[in-house]
Amino acid sequence: GQNIDQPTEMTATEGAIVQINCTYQTSGFNGLFWYQQHAGEAPTFLSYNVLDGLEEKGRFSSFLSRSKGYSYLLLKELQMKDSASYLCAVKGYSTLTFGKGTMLLVSP
Amino acid sequence: DTAVSQTPKYLVTQMGNDKSIKCEQNLGHDTMYWYKQDSKKFLKIMFSYNNKELIINETVPNRFSPKSPDKAHLNLHINSLELGDSAVYFCASSQDAGELFFGEGSRLTVL
Repeated sequence: GQNIDQPTEMTATEGAIVQINCTYQTSGFNGLFWYQQHAGEAPTFLSYNVLDGLEEKGRFSSFLSRSKGYSYLLLKELQMKDSASYLCAVKGYSTLTFGKGTMLLVSP
Repeated sequence: DTAVSQTPKYLVTQMGNDKSIKCEQNLGHDTMYWYKQDSKKFLKIMFSYNNKELIINETVPNRFSPKSPDKAHLNLHINSLELGDSAVYFCASSQDAGELFFGEGSRLTVL
């Protein structure tokens, strides 16, 4: 089975940098995804890591360490619109299992 | 064009009723899913179909029955609705086990 752990809530200020951590224990690993979900909307894809290291995409970066069962999502130059839930999801043998999400609140 | 569309978006019904949610994807993906997101926002897999064949059936009551008439459609029928079934149900699709594309969600409220 899969066990995915991420903080429940985080707060940050507009313009700042925030790092959202995710740790996982899994019986099979075929990649780690990060999704963003605004209130009342569907999750949308942010990033995918299958090999160790950092993937950068604009203001968002995601890091993976398979040996440590650890990933983080780094958000730079925070904007008010980044207030959302961020979901860490691990792909096992056949399915994608989501963590409970981290609610990020960005304040002015 | 909407990539993954599901209907209805909102559903309010009484306990004991039977209801269906429909999902269609126009992305040409081979795999479709149903996820349930409860009031605590936990997104949990229910079913997965690959080319009309059921490949994942998590611990879901028998009252839930998915049907895939073709690889572009995956419907969810729920019998004898219970209060605990109230949630947002998301349909999703993917190709070659890649990223998921989600529909807008169907918010089910059981009274």
